[in-house]
Amino acid sequence: QVHLQESGPELVKPSGTLSLTCAVSGGSLDTNNWWSWVRQPPGKGLEWIGEIYHNGNTNYNSSLKSRLTISVDKSKTQFSLKLTSVTAADTAMYYCARRGLYHSDNYFDPWGQGTLVTVSS
Amino acid sequence: DIQMTQSPPSLSASVGDRVTITCRASQSITRYLNWYQQKPGKAPKVLIYVASNLKSGVPSRFSGSGSGTDFTLTISSLQPEDSATYYCQHTYSTIPTFGQGTRLEIK
Repeated sequence: QVHLQESGPELVKPSGTLSLTCAVSGGSLDTNNWWSWVRQPPGKGLEWIGEIYHNGNTNYNSSLKSRLTISVDKSKTQFSLKLTSVTAADTAMYYCARRGLYHSDNYFDPWGQGTLVTVSS
Repeated sequence: DIQMTQSPPSLSASVGDRVTITCRASQSITRYLNWYQQKPGKAPKVLIYVASNLKSGVPSRFSGSGSGTDFTLTISSLQPEDSATYYCQHTYSTIPTFGQGTRLEIK
């Protein structure tokens, strides 16, 4: 059973870079899945950030694309997110999740437990 | 990007009630629509995929229907543990956007 776990700094300064890693256990990244990031500002709804396939192909939310990089490290069975020039608006719970490639499994499951990142000086 | 609009934003219902939540897409998404349940402090959990398919392990009181632009999530007999926020999410295009959520409270 695949398990995902986010890690990274909980506090980032304004104008800095937010960096998170999602460790995948119980399975390989070399599967027919997108490896995704979703965030949720405190008290608000879910926002899809972007995703990566094991061959390095990516899809990004157009509103974040200029600041966003998602990468994969298959040797470590993990994928990562970097978001530059952060502001208080980037304060959120950040989740990693798996999304199936085909319409029959094209939903986010499983999810990591989430990590709260606060942007503040 | 395709916009997803849920209604109502919140509702309150009693145990045993039949509850319906609606999700409307800004353009046709055929049947590529999922529903999630999120409880406070927890990650979302998928309930329904491709509009009407019940995820394994999800109670049968949950059901989904719809196609094109209009979809519904129905809870046939509300239980106390169903208190949560529910989100729809489309998978029609590369950008899988979510609805804004519906908060369901038990009276």
